[in-house]
Amino acid sequence: TQLLEQSPQFLSIQEGENLTVYCNSSSVFSSLQWYRQEPGEGPVLLVTVVTGGEVKKLKRLTFQFGDARKDSSLHITAAQPGDTGLYLCAGGGTSYGKLTFGQGTILTVHP
Amino acid sequence: DTEVTQTPKHLVMGMTNKKSLKCEQHMGHRAMYWYKQKAKKPPELMFVYSYEKLSINESVPSRFSPECPNSSLLNLHLHALQPEDSALYLCASSQDRYEQYFGPGTRLTVT
Repeated sequence: TQLLEQSPQFLSIQEGENLTVYCNSSSVFSSLQWYRQEPGEGPVLLVTVVTGGEVKKLKRLTFQFGDARKDSSLHITAAQPGDTGLYLCAGGGTSYGKLTFGQGTILTVHP
Repeated sequence: DTEVTQTPKHLVMGMTNKKSLKCEQHMGHRAMYWYKQKAKKPPELMFVYSYEKLSINESVPSRFSPECPNSSLLNLHLHALQPEDSALYLCASSQDRYEQYFGPGTRLTVT
């Protein structure tokens, strides 16, 4: 069974601060997705990384996939209140259609 | 366009009722999914349809019955639900095994 350990579970910061969320596993994943979800809404796909060592940037968000494809990180620069939400990492393995989700990080950015 | 639509947005039903949730995508995706999500937790996979055939059933109780009438539509028929089935039900679709796109969800309350 593949597991993804996501940390931290909760993050409460002030506007303008930087933060990093981590997803770690002992298993290799063929891909790693990051989603952001607001209360009462569905998860919105932010990025997919598939190559070990890959780095992708989306405005103030930077995503990294570990060289061994076992871990990933999401870094947000100068967080804004609009970044508030539940952040989920999800790993794609060998079974078609089955994603392994991390437990999520609830981010609150205070103005 | 990466839109998955779900109806209804909210549903309240008694334990003896029969109701259905609907999901639609027009992205030509070949796989569609049903997930159940409790508050502040990651989505839990229920069913996967691939090319309109049920490919994964995650040991879901028979009071949940999925149906895929065609490649764009996915239904979830509900009957004799329990209060603990109250949750956000999410539909997703994907073209490949990497990226899943989620709908906004149906908030189900069982009374």
